[in-house]
Amino acid sequence: QVQLVQSGAEMKKPGASVKVSCKASGYTFTDYFLHWVRQAPGQGPEWMGWISANNGGTNYAQKFQDRVTMTRDTSINTAYMELRSLTFDDTAVYYCARDGSGPRHWGQGTLVTVSS
Amino acid sequence: NFMLTQPHSVSESPGKTATISCTRSSGNIADNYVQWYQQRPGSAPTTLIYEDNRRHSGVPGRFSGSIDRTSNSASLTISGLRTEDEADYYCQSYDPVNRHVVFGGGTKLTVL
Repeated sequence: QVQLVQSGAEMKKPGASVKVSCKASGYTFTDYFLHWVRQAPGQGPEWMGWISANNGGTNYAQKFQDRVTMTRDTSINTAYMELRSLTFDDTAVYYCARDGSGPRHWGQGTLVTVSS
Repeated sequence: NFMLTQPHSVSESPGKTATISCTRSSGNIADNYVQWYQQRPGSAPTTLIYEDNRRHSGVPGRFSGSIDRTSNSASLTISGLRTEDEADYYCQSYDPVNRHVVFGGGTKLTVL
């Protein structure tokens, strides 16, 4: 079965960067896009972008265009999302999700807390 | 760009049927597939419906999705409500102009 396992919780200071990983199993990694979605406390999901696991092509939401980078390593079936210049507003749970006409299979989420 | 608008909350009794709407602000609802997710407190979202009306694996037949071209909206219907169905529900579609994913604002379902 499709499984996405994300890296553990992170605590960062304002201005720092965070890199979250998402290890996929149970399917052919390069056959699907991977989405990154975040959810701030008490808010709904917010789509950040996707990466093609096949060729590494990306498409970012305009809000994050200048400070997000999504990459993947096909040798270990893992995708990464790096967010730079963190502010308190970036405190959220970050999810990866495999595509299937939209996010279909979700990781467990990674809590990123930005605190001074 | 378009928006997906959901009611903030829906309340219904156990055993009854609840319907949650998702209205697309511009463009045709039928042009791009709609997905539905359930999220319980403290948990990741899980997919209920994909491609308008197809149930994700393991999802009970009590959950169904549909689209209505006249109202330009999608609907999630949950029949035989159980207390465990209390959760937040989100619709999602795709904007082909910028190839972006769009989420609705979410609906809190209360079963009481």
